[in-house]
Amino acid sequence: EPEVTQTPSHQVTQMGQEVILRCVPISNHLYFYWYRQILGQKVEFLVSFYNNEISEKSEIFDDQFSVERPDGSNFTLKIRSTKLEDSAMYFCASCTGFADTQYFGPGTRLTVL
Amino acid sequence: AQKVTQAQTEISVVEKEDVTLDCVYETRDTTYYLFWYKQPPSGELVFLIRRNSFDEQNEISGRYSWNFQKSTSSFNFTITASQVVDSAVYFCALEGGQAGTALIFGKGTTLSVSS
Repeated sequence: EPEVTQTPSHQVTQMGQEVILRCVPISNHLYFYWYRQILGQKVEFLVSFYNNEISEKSEIFDDQFSVERPDGSNFTLKIRSTKLEDSAMYFCASCTGFADTQYFGPGTRLTVL
Repeated sequence: AQKVTQAQTEISVVEKEDVTLDCVYETRDTTYYLFWYKQPPSGELVFLIRRNSFDEQNEISGRYSWNFQKSTSSFNFTITASQVVDSAVYFCALEGGQAGTALIFGKGTTLSVSS
């Protein structure tokens, strides 16, 4: 059964460094999402992406964040200058479109020291 | 504004007990979708069910059942004869009726099932 994959599973970085989190959505899906979950808290929406552009973003998704679909398979989240409060689990999700279920990847745990 | 409330932070039961997880939502959309996801200790988010706002039929899947009531804006989840493997955090989520809309999650209910 097709699934969303994410790499790496765990990333440790120093404050101020740039990180790129990678996701491979399910191949026939058209909508892509990033969510984050700070430890012990709820899952929060960051951004949605369709047709090579951002379709919606939350207040969390400020200028230090960017997303890209560099090729036909990968979907990336870049955090330009990480802060301690960026430490969280980051989930990628994808769906085919309207009224479809979003399927989540296993997550990348980002630890900023 | 859209909002999902899961008032129960933690629930502890003994195996074979039935347990109901509550979910109350707020939305102004006439078309919307409700979801339940399970997050086991390993951390991934596992999709359990999706319901649209026009389908209020209750659904049963094995030991799981869901009760959707628009009149009370609730979408409750019942596990019958709970098992230790059901121990997890359960999230209720709401999605508006447009493609690409974000999922709005509740804060989750941590279910602990002991043997």
